[in-house]
Amino acid sequence: DTGVSQNPRHKITKRGQNVTFRCDPISEHNRLYWYRQTLGQGPEFLTYFQNEAQLEKSRLLSDRFSAERPKGSFSTLEIQRTEQGDSAMYLCASSLVMIYNEQFFGPGTRLTVL
Amino acid sequence: AQKVTQAQTEISVVEKEDVTLDCVYETRDTTYYLFWYKQPPSGELVFLIRRNSFDEQNEISGRYSWNFQKSTSSFNFTITASQVVDSAVYFCALSEAITGGGNKLTFGTGTQLKVEL
Repeated sequence: DTGVSQNPRHKITKRGQNVTFRCDPISEHNRLYWYRQTLGQGPEFLTYFQNEAQLEKSRLLSDRFSAERPKGSFSTLEIQRTEQGDSAMYLCASSLVMIYNEQFFGPGTRLTVL
Repeated sequence: AQKVTQAQTEISVVEKEDVTLDCVYETRDTTYYLFWYKQPPSGELVFLIRRNSFDEQNEISGRYSWNFQKSTSSFNFTITASQVVDSAVYFCALSEAITGGGNKLTFGTGTQLKVEL
């Protein structure tokens, strides 16, 4: 399968714990995006990488959130001191550098904070 | 600020009926892209179509068709002869250029389509 993959698919954690999610983009895609989707809503943009550089961050991304993309390949999203409001689906997408820029999404990681 | 409105929260149809999903957008950009994505119960967003702001031609792909009208800022999606497998949440999205040439997507709240036998 050559699509975007995300791990884990589901994560249940207790409030105050740290969690880390991983995204593996489509191999030749050098742009990578993170979005968050809460129940009944559309995805909301969190952050964007081109290769290893993080070029844009949403105001939604509080100080407790950090994302990395070492070597411009896979990316990780870490949430420190989780809160119940962090419960959501975290989606990763990747795209090529070209005019059209359609983004291809992974299956997401569903986070539940108890 | 960019905004996408999908006023229809949920639509139920009987198989073989035609159904149209509405999308209205707001942007100050003169160049932009519009997208439709499908999200089945499995959760993965599936890309359906991209349309750029300079191309107002309607497009048909099998049972799917899209009507882009810049004058009314609408990008509606029609499924002809709906099937049970079309049941999903459908999202309309608008792109916004960001630093480094990327594009962040602003999504609507989605329309849940239920197709029944």
